[in-house]
Amino acid sequence: DIQMTQSPSSLSASVGDRVTITCRASQTISSYLNWYQQKPGKAPKLLIYAASSLQSGVPSRFSGSGSGTDFTLTISSLQPEDFATYYCQQTYSISITFGQGTRLEIK
Amino acid sequence: QITLKESGPTLVKPTQTLTLTCTFSGFSLTTSGVGVGWFRQPPGMALEWLASIYWNGDKRYSPSLRSRLTITNDTSKNQVVLTMTNMDPVDTATYYCAHRHGAITISGVVDRFDPWGQGTLVTVSS
Repeated sequence: DIQMTQSPSSLSASVGDRVTITCRASQTISSYLNWYQQKPGKAPKLLIYAASSLQSGVPSRFSGSGSGTDFTLTISSLQPEDFATYYCQQTYSISITFGQGTRLEIK
Repeated sequence: QITLKESGPTLVKPTQTLTLTCTFSGFSLTTSGVGVGWFRQPPGMALEWLASIYWNGDKRYSPSLRSRLTITNDTSKNQVVLTMTNMDPVDTATYYCAHRHGAITISGVVDRFDPWGQGTLVTVSS
């Protein structure tokens, strides 16, 4: 399986901050990388697909970049509703895998 | 509007077989490029992919769980069923199904899963 490693595991930030979360794959996955947001007790929500494409309906403060093995999710100006857990997911391999998650908390 | 909803038992005993049903609307599993994936999430832990089924009949399974999983679809009922045999307490988790559609990129067709069902918590205990 391709291992996905996110950093940091948790992060404290304030409303209005710019935040970056990274995801590293154990082997190259081209641009087969998605980002999801999950709030407590809720299902994951797709934010970014194919590393940098914004899913319809997702605010433009979310952006993604990277290819190969290193990827980033950036939130340009944190809003109160953005405090959640974020997961990266690779779909390059037939066996889909996720990162361990990054919990974004209010400072 | 695409919606999915998981249903099945909330409690199963160790060694029993779990059968979960994903009932969906707003799309057809006969449409090219469409699929349904199953995922799970133990309490307080990360997401895990279990299996996927595609419009062309292709089925894929997590290598670590392949021997215990079966995914099938009933197009007449708009349902996808996942069975998992020999359940163990470590299988306690919220189980989700999600709509899969491919995004055509310069790298190829990228899987993306959206939207997801609300999830169903399955507890394995005697």
